[in-house]
Amino acid sequence: DVKVTQSSRYLVKRTGEKVFLECVQDMDHENMFWYRQDPGLGLRLIYFSYDVKMKEKGDIPEGYSVSREKKERFSLILESASTNQTSMYLCASSQDRHLGKLFFGSGTQLSVL
Amino acid sequence: AQSVTQLGSHVSVSEGALVLLRCNYSSSVPPYLFWYVQYPNQGLQLLLKYTSAATLVKGINGFEAEFKKSETSFHLTKPSAHMSDAAEYFCAVITGGGNKLTFGTGTQLKVEL
Repeated sequence: DVKVTQSSRYLVKRTGEKVFLECVQDMDHENMFWYRQDPGLGLRLIYFSYDVKMKEKGDIPEGYSVSREKKERFSLILESASTNQTSMYLCASSQDRHLGKLFFGSGTQLSVL
Repeated sequence: AQSVTQLGSHVSVSEGALVLLRCNYSSSVPPYLFWYVQYPNQGLQLLLKYTSAATLVKGINGFEAEFKKSETSFHLTKPSAHMSDAAEYFCAVITGGGNKLTFGTGTQLKVEL
């Protein structure tokens, strides 16, 4: 089975801290994605990547950056965390360039105080 | 721009009753449409997808969805609800020229005895 692993299930940070959310997939997928999930808003795409060292902005990239130094790992970075970034963060990967199927991690619930 | 709208943020059915979760899309080109399910404390997993082959698509766990171009709909159904179907369901469409998967706001399904 494909496994997408997010490093933390729950994370509590303070306003202004630099936050790293890590995601690792074990199926050699080319494509990786970061979404945030908020009640009533569904999932919104933050950033995605189709290859190592490649990244593209999603729908809500402001306040975030990403890093993909290795194919299996895709990191989401909050340069200076703010309270409005309190959310559930979901990582996903896909083999198919045309998004036949996304495999999701179980999420990181980030609270920024 | 392509998008999906899910009608009803919460749906409640009795065990054994028909499940109907609504999704309407807007797209200027034939869309690729998906239904994902999220069980409590888990990431999303693919239920089924429509990619312009058959209009009636069967998925896992007894779910199916019918693509109706005249109604711009892709509603999810299951003839008989089970307690284990309680989860949040997301409709999604490929956007951005095939580069992104855009999700609806989700429908929380509650199954009562």
